[in-house]
Amino acid sequence: GAGVSQSPRYKVAKRGQDVALRCDPISGHVSLFWYQQALGQGPEFLTYFQNEAQLDKSGLPSDRFFAERPEGSVSTLKIQRTQQEDSAVYLCASEGTAKNIQYFGAGTRLSVL
Amino acid sequence: AQKITQTQPGMFVQEKEAVTLDCTYDTSDQSYGLFWYKQPSSGEMIFLIYQGSYDEQNATEGRYSLNFQKARKSANLVISASQLGDSAMYFCAMRERNRDDKIIFGKGTRLHILP
Repeated sequence: GAGVSQSPRYKVAKRGQDVALRCDPISGHVSLFWYQQALGQGPEFLTYFQNEAQLDKSGLPSDRFFAERPEGSVSTLKIQRTQQEDSAVYLCASEGTAKNIQYFGAGTRLSVL
Repeated sequence: AQKITQTQPGMFVQEKEAVTLDCTYDTSDQSYGLFWYKQPSSGEMIFLIYQGSYDEQNATEGRYSLNFQKARKSANLVISASQLGDSAMYFCAMRERNRDDKIIFGKGTRLHILP
């Protein structure tokens, strides 16, 4: 596609529910990143894939968070047993071989009640 | 210590005026990249401009220019001839080459363009 696509755009979950957030990167982009953006803050790094390999997951806040990219294209960020503090916008970005610019999607706004 | 500091939480600027958004950064790396992103109310982070630490010229992209002062660790964004559509959050960000993956963002500046 023309840009990074994320779905759903909005997700409301009850505390304790599991959620799955999808990212469809720009076609052919090797690198994919997930960021978490709390209200009024800048995005913070969660994890990074190069093709299907997860090379850095140092930003994942707990073991309830995990991400996958099994075929090196679409990625899913899964949050188990959601908590209120997980409420945030989750941004996905992809990067091509010109390794400078990350292109972001519009994000998924997660609200945990 | 914060890696990226944006000291202006909000700014109001008259349409057609130039505006400078401040950004200072902190790194001990010699090789790094600096970015500015725009985030309108729709939520998408839009890439505006990039400056490499070894670039001798200040980066320019249309109405955007980056005033890079390496010794002062400053990377201010200048928007010339502001437009109503420039109203948004603006984030300064850095990527350090020895931590090649993540981009580190500042807290942002909310820019309001007044008609």
